[in-house]
Amino acid sequence: DTAVSQTPKYLVTQMGNDKSIKCEQNLGHDTMYWYKQDSKKFLKIMFSYNNKELIINETVPNRFSPKSPDKAHLNLHINSLELGDSAVYFCASSQTLDRMGSPLHFGNGTRLTVT
Amino acid sequence: AQSVTQLGSHVSVSEGALVLLRCNYSSSVPPYLFWYVQYPNQGLQLLLKYTSAATLVKGINGFEAEFKKSETSFHLTKPSAHMSDAAEYFCAVSDHRDDKIIFGKGTRLHILP
Repeated sequence: DTAVSQTPKYLVTQMGNDKSIKCEQNLGHDTMYWYKQDSKKFLKIMFSYNNKELIINETVPNRFSPKSPDKAHLNLHINSLELGDSAVYFCASSQTLDRMGSPLHFGNGTRLTVT
Repeated sequence: AQSVTQLGSHVSVSEGALVLLRCNYSSSVPPYLFWYVQYPNQGLQLLLKYTSAATLVKGINGFEAEFKKSETSFHLTKPSAHMSDAAEYFCAVSDHRDDKIIFGKGTRLHILP
């Protein structure tokens, strides 16, 4: 009965490769997010989707491309991986857009290591 | 723009002692405020939230926080620390104008036996 699930949990890859992280939520939420947490634990929003529509697109290299096939799924594809992309990536969902004060529900993260 | 400042990247308290984690926010409109906890190798879990109802908010695991508009603060407290409270704690802010939650840099809580 996992609420927000991400796969894979760990991802080790070499520079220049392309990789994807998948996220699914079974909470019936209509908004989903990708956050990046660096080695100092700092959390930064990358993208958000509301009912499959891109709402937030922060200053993220265009090597990162989110895709939402339906409102229960939000995947993240990363092209030409770089050392600086190493981080933990969290998927999250909320019932409505944050402007209503809805809290986020997080997945357990994907630890990406680029060598 | 909204922002959140958490004072102290590391806080150590003895088991059974009072826990106080500080958070100050900046927002030109009434904010929504949150505290999240992150245990090792896990995602963040919501502890409590303030959305303009009662200023004293009670959360899970015995934590509570008080919204003080005059001090622009939302400090997190727990009367008696338990070993299982050792984790990273994040304060966060959003408001009705924006679509994103902004997180503070986190405070690592250490519990001393």
